Amino acid sequence: DAGITQSPRHKVTETGTPVTLRCHQTENHRYMYWYRQDPGHGLRLIHYSYGVKDTDKGEVSDGYSVSRSKTEDFLLTLESATSSQTSVYFCAISESVASIRYEQYFGPGTRLTVT
Amino acid sequence: QQQVKQSPQSLIVQKGGISIINCAYENTAFDYFPWYQQFPGKGPALLIAIRPDVSEKKEGRFTISFNKSAKQFSLHIMDSQPGDSATYFCAADQTGANNLFFGTGTRLTVIP
Repeated sequence: DAGITQSPRHKVTETGTPVTLRCHQTENHRYMYWYRQDPGHGLRLIHYSYGVKDTDKGEVSDGYSVSRSKTEDFLLTLESATSSQTSVYFCAISESVASIRYEQYFGPGTRLTVT
Repeated sequence: QQQVKQSPQSLIVQKGGISIINCAYENTAFDYFPWYQQFPGKGPALLIAIRPDVSEKKEGRFTISFNKSAKQFSLHIMDSQPGDSATYFCAADQTGANNLFFGTGTRLTVIP
């Protein structure tokens, strides 16, 4: 998984509680992404980061926030978890040279269940 | 609204046969079309990718065919093997957009 770890790998939480998922990379890539994977939807981008403290929204960002204080770490926070956020969450990284982005490498995923 | 439409949802192929998965898109600004392979419990991994300046790209048993005028692209797996059994996702991207749009996935089963 290209030097990407995600923690926790599995989590069960209750509706209304805050949850933070962590993505850690050892590749020193500039770009980091958070996706969610749901049956019938494929993968959808939640947020991404193009550098330390530089983040932007993706396709399904409502109810999520992110932070990146170090190149290697990208955190995804569900401020108040809902059952609709039950999903598998993937972190991805990619590099960029002269405005050309290269392939995205994905982490192993975090399975989150909100009860 | 699904930016990239993928079919079929599932596919069963005999060992040695050809597996074909199709994708279609509407946004003519897309300029990068990767295919990802995902095994259960793992993250997606890039399999092969194409840019619209070519109509075909082949890597081993995997070939992407690209039809720019029809806005369609497909993945062909020749001599399919049981080890190819996985879920395959097509995707599309636009330079500078930072948003890779995925199809809904095709679960391929190759029967020995």
